[in-house]
Amino acid sequence: GENVGLHLPTLSVQEGDNSIINCAYSNSASDYFIWYKQESGKGPQFIIDIRSNMDKRQGQRVTVLLNKTVKHLSLQIAATQPGDSAVYFCAASGGAAGNKLTFGGGTRVLVKP
Amino acid sequence: GAGVSQSPSNKVTEKGKDVELRCDPISGHTALYWYRQSLGQGLEFLIYFQGNSAPDKSGLPSDRFSAERTGGSVSTLTIQRTQQEDSAVYLCASSLLQGYEAFFGQGTRLTVV
Repeated sequence: GENVGLHLPTLSVQEGDNSIINCAYSNSASDYFIWYKQESGKGPQFIIDIRSNMDKRQGQRVTVLLNKTVKHLSLQIAATQPGDSAVYFCAASGGAAGNKLTFGGGTRVLVKP
Repeated sequence: GAGVSQSPSNKVTEKGKDVELRCDPISGHTALYWYRQSLGQGLEFLIYFQGNSAPDKSGLPSDRFSAERTGGSVSTLTIQRTQQEDSAVYLCASSLLQGYEAFFGQGTRLTVV
């Protein structure tokens, strides 16, 4: 089955700096990847997604990079703001795991003023 | 509705009692997921419904857990003979189609005392 995990459980970032959150996945057949942001007491909120036919996708202040060779996914947040403080999850679907989304363990981002 | 709605938002129950958690997905969404999230942890997949296909129940932790989705819309997650280790936030999500972004509800916080 799919195994999706994160390298760093907590990331402290100075306000205004860029943040990079990493994620590794195990199933090379995964073809759809999502990043979610979860604030305390709320459900996860969609940030950005990417399909396996792409290696980079940009949104507003966020960029997702996909390296299929090493099965690695990253989320870059530009000019991190206090409102970016949250837990970030990556999720993957496709391949042997089917269409269900399998989530990694999460990285907590703390933005220091 | 405008988003995924879950009820109740909080539920306290005595050990051994049965509980039912409800999820109203976004209208027209064919895929529906249930996840469980323990405090400070990631999202644990429970069950996935896709249209009229047989649900993927591979994440249900025991036979005390079951879920239904009536008429392709509302879903109910039932936990029988609740145990203290069932205490968690139960999150529901829906997506328009398989392989697309899933939108989450706010969750039901279940506490078994």
